[in-house]
Amino acid sequence: ETGVTQSPTHLIKTRGQQVTLRCSSQSGHNTVSWYQQALGQGPQFIFQYYREEENGRGNFPPRFSGLQFPNYSSELNVNALELDDSALYLCASSPGTRVGDTQYFGPGTRLTVL
Amino acid sequence: DQQVKQNSPSLSVQEGRISILNCDYTNSMFDYFLWYKKYPAEGPTFLISISSIKDKNEDGRFTVFLNKSAKHLSLHIVPSQPGDSAVYFCAASVMGGGADGLTFGKGTHLIIQP
Repeated sequence: ETGVTQSPTHLIKTRGQQVTLRCSSQSGHNTVSWYQQALGQGPQFIFQYYREEENGRGNFPPRFSGLQFPNYSSELNVNALELDDSALYLCASSPGTRVGDTQYFGPGTRLTVL
Repeated sequence: DQQVKQNSPSLSVQEGRISILNCDYTNSMFDYFLWYKKYPAEGPTFLISISSIKDKNEDGRFTVFLNKSAKHLSLHIVPSQPGDSAVYFCAASVMGGGADGLTFGKGTHLIIQP
């Protein structure tokens, strides 16, 4: 068990709505990354937060935003949901920002947009 | 444009034999490579990694080989066990670019047959 938890497990929203997904990192891990995994695809990097600041971002529009809190929890917010946002959203925590720091993934939140 | 490619969506291997999973990449900036394993309803779990200064890394039953000139890496599992049945993701990154996240392939579903 990695110690990374995510909530909720499943979520159904309609197009145009907003959604907040939550992640609780392993204690002591200052870095959290979020990934989107569409059906039949590998995880795709959304962004990374380090000590409550965004310090890296993949090819995702600004309607994907995040927050990281001092208590090792974090959020992924998606505004103006589109049908293509339907996916498994994974968060991963690591002790630092180096590539060699192993990322520990949570089980994911399955988002369905109707 | 997929920068990390796993061209075999699935692979079936008999228990006790060798499993070989392949991965190709196109971005010559990648210099750190990882393999993750994923069971249903769980997040990906780190298996093994290799940096571009090496051509082989071994950890128990798992060995990763890197051929930089061919931009190809492979994961060997010997001997294969039923618990190895899972989806395996190849991922790549730039050593100095931890904040850029990991770039994943689409995964290979490994099935170990008794």
